[in-house]
Amino acid sequence: DAGITQSPRHKVTETGTPVTLRCHQTENHRYMYWYRQDPGHGLRLIHYSYGVKDTDKGEVSDGYSVSRSKTEDFLLTLESATSSQTSVYFCAISPRPPTSGRGTYNEQFFGPGTRLTVL
Amino acid sequence: AQSVTQLGSHVSVSEGALVLLRCNYSSSVPPYLFWYVQYPNQGLQLLLKYTSAATLVKGINGFEAEFKKSETSFHLTKPSAHMSDAAEYFCAVSFSGGYNKLIFGAGTRLAVHP
Repeated sequence: DAGITQSPRHKVTETGTPVTLRCHQTENHRYMYWYRQDPGHGLRLIHYSYGVKDTDKGEVSDGYSVSRSKTEDFLLTLESATSSQTSVYFCAISPRPPTSGRGTYNEQFFGPGTRLTVL
Repeated sequence: AQSVTQLGSHVSVSEGALVLLRCNYSSSVPPYLFWYVQYPNQGLQLLLKYTSAATLVKGINGFEAEFKKSETSFHLTKPSAHMSDAAEYFCAVSFSGGYNKLIFGAGTRLAVHP
């Protein structure tokens, strides 16, 4: 299994409080991602990183921010949590393809998830 | 733009029966296609992937999928279901130059009955 850990694994918080989730990898992979999983929606990309200090928005980025100050850590922050952000959050990692073009894609490897409840 | 549609949010089969989980995709560029499996309270595990080599792809646990460009499909099959196959299955699409980002379908929950 890819070396990916997420912390905390479970968190209950109140509306309006800030929350930070941490993803830590030991694989030295360049790309990292944050997804949320909700029934009927599959997984949706929140933010991703393509290198240290290089991040971009995904499909559902409103209300979330991220930071990546070193290769192994990718933080997801909810500045002011809302009940609509109750979800299961997954971190994923992927190595950068060695060259461009077909046949050089690399799959993502997923962490165990963090279950967040916002009351 | 890329998108994925999984037909059937719940599928139920008997142990030993054929498993067929349907996935259709939309992509303006040649796609990479994936099936992931999620067991209860766990993360996602890659079952198999299509990256433009053989159109029939074999994965772990006896699963396989066939890429059909004319039908824009990538259905997942297993000849004989086992109780341990009960899980949620996700189809996903990606493309070159997209930082390996994935677009997921909504998922299909597979139940296997004795």
